[in-house]
Amino acid sequence: EAGVTQFPSHSVIEKGQTVTLRCDPISGHDNLYWYRRVMGKEIKFLLHFVKESKQDESGMPNNRFLAERTGGTYSTLKVQPAELEDSGVYFCASSQLALNTGELFFGEGSRLTVL
Amino acid sequence: AQKITQTQPGMFVQEKEAVTLDCTYDTSDPSYGLFWYKQPSSGEMIFLIYQGSYDQQNATEGRYSLNFQKARKSANLVISASQLGDSAMYFCAMRERIQGAQKLVFGQGTRLTINP
Repeated sequence: EAGVTQFPSHSVIEKGQTVTLRCDPISGHDNLYWYRRVMGKEIKFLLHFVKESKQDESGMPNNRFLAERTGGTYSTLKVQPAELEDSGVYFCASSQLALNTGELFFGEGSRLTVL
Repeated sequence: AQKITQTQPGMFVQEKEAVTLDCTYDTSDPSYGLFWYKQPSSGEMIFLIYQGSYDQQNATEGRYSLNFQKARKSANLVISASQLGDSAMYFCAMRERIQGAQKLVFGQGTRLTINP
């Protein structure tokens, strides 16, 4: 069974450009999460989808970030326009159930570098 | 306020020795969960072990065990008989529940290096 996949694995863009990150969760997982790790800092929650609905988007840093999950399958995270401080690794994770156990599966992350 | 604290930014351990990675947490929610993840150089986050706040016994998974001290609010990860492949970043995380929504809050991580 395929795990959580993320694309691209690494993206290098200039300040002011747009980048779209994609996450394909494990098939059948209703819960999808986006996290971000800025260099040297802790991994921070961005938002949580349950199917196609945004359950919690309290971690989204500002309105330059837009996440979607049309049809409740894959999700995209768009950054427009990108700023230098957006550089980091963006992780996607999915789970079938609520977080009552350790069954939260992460992707390998998308590294974003903004120059 | 920091909710998950990992005080060891880096640790160096000799192969085959046991190692303890520290994690303390802060929460007022009586129902919570604590997780440990491993992130090797390849980048993926690998789930290692989980401890629920109401679990009576410390969690164990193979060479991994969680030393859960509820009164001290600590959830240290113990790796027995360390191996070279254990070299990685290790993250402690806590399940936080706010207004019905659940998410994980992570610590800053500890980079573990196993020396041959």
